[in-house]
Amino acid sequence: KAGVTQTPRYLIKTRGQQVTLSCSPISGHRSVSWYQQTPGQGLQFLFEYFSETQRNKGNFPGRFSGRQFSNSRSEMNVSTLELGDSALYLCASSFSGGPYYEQYFGPGTRLTVT
Amino acid sequence: SQQGEEDPQALSIQEGENATMNCSYKTSINNLQWYRQNSGRGLVHLILIRSNEREKHSGRLRVTLDTSKKSSSLLITASRAADTASYFCALTSGSRLTFGEGTQLTVNP
Repeated sequence: KAGVTQTPRYLIKTRGQQVTLSCSPISGHRSVSWYQQTPGQGLQFLFEYFSETQRNKGNFPGRFSGRQFSNSRSEMNVSTLELGDSALYLCASSFSGGPYYEQYFGPGTRLTVT
Repeated sequence: SQQGEEDPQALSIQEGENATMNCSYKTSINNLQWYRQNSGRGLVHLILIRSNEREKHSGRLRVTLDTSKKSSSLLITASRAADTASYFCALTSGSRLTFGEGTQLTVNP
C-alpha cells in the first residue's frame, strides 16, 4: 500500500497570504488528522476529519480550516498567514478510530512565512 | 495537562547499548503510543499499548505501562546508529491524541 502523501513538501509564503496544503491518506483509511510542529510548541493537534466531517478540533484560531473529500483526501487552509505559522505541518491517517488506533504520518509540508 | 512528559529530553549512547526513555502523564488514558521521528520528517508509529496492557514487544523495542504510576517506558535494546531520532509518547485521552515534547536519542557508532 502506498503511504500517506502530502503536497507540496516545501512552501514559502509571505505574511498575509493564504495557503492550502493537501494530504492523501492510505487507501481505505477514513480518518485524517492534521498537526503543526514547531520547535517552541512541539506537536500540536489541529483537527481531525472522518467521513468528510470534522470530528475534533484543537485550539487554533479560525484562520486554520480544513476539509475532507469523499475519497478521504484532505486539505488544510491557513488564511492571513503570520510569521508564527512557519512550521512543519503533518497529516496522519487512520483506518477508523482517530486517536484510538495507530496513526500513519505523511512526510509533512514545511511552510516558511516571510 | 493531557500532555505526556518525556524523560530525559536528550540521551546519547554508544552503539550496542540499551536506551530507555520514560513518559509520565497526569490524566487517565485509553491507550499510549510511541512514535519515532527522524530529523524534520514524518513520524513513524512504533507501538500502541492499551490501558489494560502492561508490556508489549516489537523486535528490539519493549514498552511498559504502569497506569497506577501514570508512566510508560520505551526500551530499545542493542541500539544502532540508525536509531538516532526523536521519540515521542502520545496519549489518547478522550478523542484526541496528544504528543509529548520528545526525547532526542543519539546513538554514536
